[in-house]
Amino acid sequence: GQQVMQIPQYQHVQEGEDFTTYCNSSTTLSNIQWYKQRPGGHPVFLIQLVKSGEVKKQKRLTFQFGEAKKNSSLHITATQTTDVGTYFCAGYSGGGADGLTFGKGTHLIIQP
Amino acid sequence: NAGVTQTPKFRVLKTGQSMTLLCAQDMNHEYMYWYRQDPGMGLRLIHYSVGEGTTAKGEVPDGYNVSRLKKQNFLLGLESAAPSQTSVYFCASSYGQGPYNEQFFGPGTRLTVL
Repeated sequence: GQQVMQIPQYQHVQEGEDFTTYCNSSTTLSNIQWYKQRPGGHPVFLIQLVKSGEVKKQKRLTFQFGEAKKNSSLHITATQTTDVGTYFCAGYSGGGADGLTFGKGTHLIIQP
Repeated sequence: NAGVTQTPKFRVLKTGQSMTLLCAQDMNHEYMYWYRQDPGMGLRLIHYSVGEGTTAKGEVPDGYNVSRLKKQNFLLGLESAAPSQTSVYFCASSYGQGPYNEQFFGPGTRLTVL
């Protein structure tokens, strides 16, 4: 079945440093979504990418979808303490009504 | 609007006991999902529903049953709980087909099976 791998599992950064998490799929994706989960909270939708090579920005967050639609990345510039949490990618291969396949997430830990 | 709500928030069961988790949404969403989240495993889909009266199996359906008798409610049942079902359970809903639309998650139910 479809697998979505996400690296790294944990990332420690100093406040103000940049952060990147990578997502790779075993199959070509129709679309990919990104979610953020604060400690003790629930996943919250950030963005969806659909087109090959697509790049979207939300303030300090930049999301990319690979040309082959098999990988994606989330980059945060100049991290802040409010960025703490786990970032999940979730991909869909299409062809049916099945749900998203989530990566295992990247835990972002920020040291002040 | 309350969004997606889940009851209960916490529950402790003994092996072999049964229970039902309730998910309710007030956004008139067609699609509803049940996920479980385990440390280091991300979110895994248990069952989902594409509309009132319909249900389908996800990635990890064994040991669980679901019902969608009303559009706004999605119930997850454990008939005979096992320690392997200790997890945090999240319900989610979406306006259209979940894989192509934003999913709204509930606050979660933390279940411990002893």
